[in-house]
Parts: sequence; C-alpha cells; structure tokens
Amino acid sequence: DIQMTQSPSSLSASVGDTISFTCRASESINTYLNWYQQKPGKAPQLLMYGGSSLENGIPSRFSGRGSGTDFTLTITGLQPEDFATYYCQQSDSMPWTFGQGTRVEIK
Amino acid sequence: EVQLLESGGGLIQPGGSLRLSCAASGFTFKFYAMSWVRQAPGKGLEWVSTVSSGGGVTYYVDSVKGRFNISRDNAKNTLYVQMNGLRDEDTAIYYCARRGSHDGFDIWGQGTLVSVSS
Repeated sequence: DIQMTQSPSSLSASVGDTISFTCRASESINTYLNWYQQKPGKAPQLLMYGGSSLENGIPSRFSGRGSGTDFTLTITGLQPEDFATYYCQQSDSMPWTFGQGTRVEIK
Repeated sequence: EVQLLESGGGLIQPGGSLRLSCAASGFTFKFYAMSWVRQAPGKGLEWVSTVSSGGGVTYYVDSVKGRFNISRDNAKNTLYVQMNGLRDEDTAIYYCARRGSHDGFDIWGQGTLVSVSS
C-alpha cells in the first residue's frame, strides 16, 4: 500500500499569512494527488485534484504543486474560514490512501 | 442541488450487522463511481470501498474484505454497504462520496455514525 505522510501535523498561523504544508508518498504517484479541507463536525471538501488543479468554486488563494512523491499545498493570504484540517489523498493505486492530516490553527 | 444523504448508522454489538444507505440527488447517479470513506472519532480519513458506475466492479480496503459488501441501485439512485462481523475498530462516521470526473471525491454526504460496542 502507498503510505502518505503529511507534515507538519499542525501549525499555527495568523490571518493574512502565507502557509505551506507537504504531503509525501512512499512511492511515485505521478500527479494522482488530491487535497481536502475538513472543518470540525463537517464532511471533507475537495480543494484540489491532480496535484495542482483547483476544484470549481475553491478560492484562488489555494494552490498546489508537486509530482512523483512530493507535494505541497499553499494558502496565500490565510482567511478566518481557512482554519481547518487538510488531508492529502492518493488516487494512483488501490487502496486509495489519505495522509494523517495537517491541522491549521489560529495563532 | 447535488446531494448525498446517508442513513442506517447506529449502535451495534461486536459481531453484528448493519446496512448503510446513501441516497443521491441532483446528478446522474449512474454515471459515477461511488465510495465509502470513514473517520474514527478524532482520527483521520480512511477509504473503505468503491463501486464502479455500473456496479460490476468493487474494491475494498483489506481490513473490511470479506465482511463488507458495497452495492448500488442505479434505478433508486442509492448506494449501500452491508457491514457484517462488525468490530470495535469499525466505529466511525461513514461518509459516502462521489468520485468526480477529475478523480477526487468531489461530493460528500454529511456522514452517519456507526458505533460498535458491547
């Protein structure tokens, strides 16, 4: 199975900050990498697919890059509604697997 | 409005069975592969199972193989998972999710809680 490792597990930031966090796959997944945002008590929401493509309706302050094993999600100009947990997920091969999440907290 | 609505969760004893349902609306259900994803209390997301758009191909995470059975009724726009031999570690919120045309899970239900406990 492909293991997905996210870092850091949590980070503190302020509104307006630019933050980045990473997702590493245990083997190459090309660009079959999706990012999700989950707020407490809510279902996850797809932010990005294919490593760098923005899902419809997602603000352009979210961006992603990477291929192979290393991927990054960046939020430029953090907004209050962005404080949440972010998960990466590989869809290269079964079983599809998620990272353990990065929690973004208010500083 | 595109929507998925799960039902069927509850408290069940270890070894018991439960069937979850997910009613879809607002999109052409038969065109999309559908999945179940679960989240144990305070934990991360775990993909559980996927069924192809026509229902003929299914996939499972190893931990549920032989115990869970995913199915769908495209005439009723409904996804199911039959869960047998439930274990404590199956306790989780179970989400149904649509695999979008761009490969990610683009639509999620609100989730239904399954608690396995004696």
